[in-house]
Amino acid sequence: AQSVAQPEDQVNVAEGNPLTVKCTYSVSGNPYLFWYVQYPNRGLQFLLKYITGDNLVKGSYGFEAEFNKSQTSFHLKKPSALVSDSALYFCAVRDFSNDYKLSFGAGTTVTVRA
Amino acid sequence: EAQVTQNPRYLITVTGKKLTVTCSQNMNHEYMSWYRQDPGLGLRQIYYSMNVEATDKGDVPEGYKVSRKEKRNFPLILESPSPNQTSLYFCASSLYREAYEQYFGPGTRLTVT
Repeated sequence: AQSVAQPEDQVNVAEGNPLTVKCTYSVSGNPYLFWYVQYPNRGLQFLLKYITGDNLVKGSYGFEAEFNKSQTSFHLKKPSALVSDSALYFCAVRDFSNDYKLSFGAGTTVTVRA
Repeated sequence: EAQVTQNPRYLITVTGKKLTVTCSQNMNHEYMSWYRQDPGLGLRQIYYSMNVEATDKGDVPEGYKVSRKEKRNFPLILESPSPNQTSLYFCASSLYREAYEQYFGPGTRLTVT
């Protein structure tokens, strides 16, 4: 079975400080990993993905994520957070050896204070 | 504009009264899916469709029905809603099942009393 864990329900940071949102995963095959963001009263928006290759992937709005196979992690990072980054963030994993099933984590609420 | 639309955005209903939430995409995507979002549980897949007339159960299909008669539309049907179906529902689509990025609709907040 595959699963995704986001160990922090909430992350609070000051504007201009680094932002990290944690994600760990468990899959039987090779992981295909994603981050989505949900702004209030909106649907989820795709941020970035890891399929293969460089462990550091860059995405939209200045976000990046680092894939760590040994720690089965895919943490989302932004070097300098903005108030407008305040949102709900979801990590997701697709297991192509398990009928392409896509599983989401429970989500992490990020609040960036001015 | 490429988008996934859902209607209604908000719905309050009573137990047992049949309802339909519509979903439409204008990107000619083959794959469409319904999710429900509940606090602390993330998104859980209800049903998905690989293409027209091809639907299958996701993780939490009980109490729901879907149909895919046209490529662009994928309505979610609750024949006899119950309070435990109170949730935020999202429709999503992608070019095909294996495609990396899914496009999500704005969500439908359903309350069943």
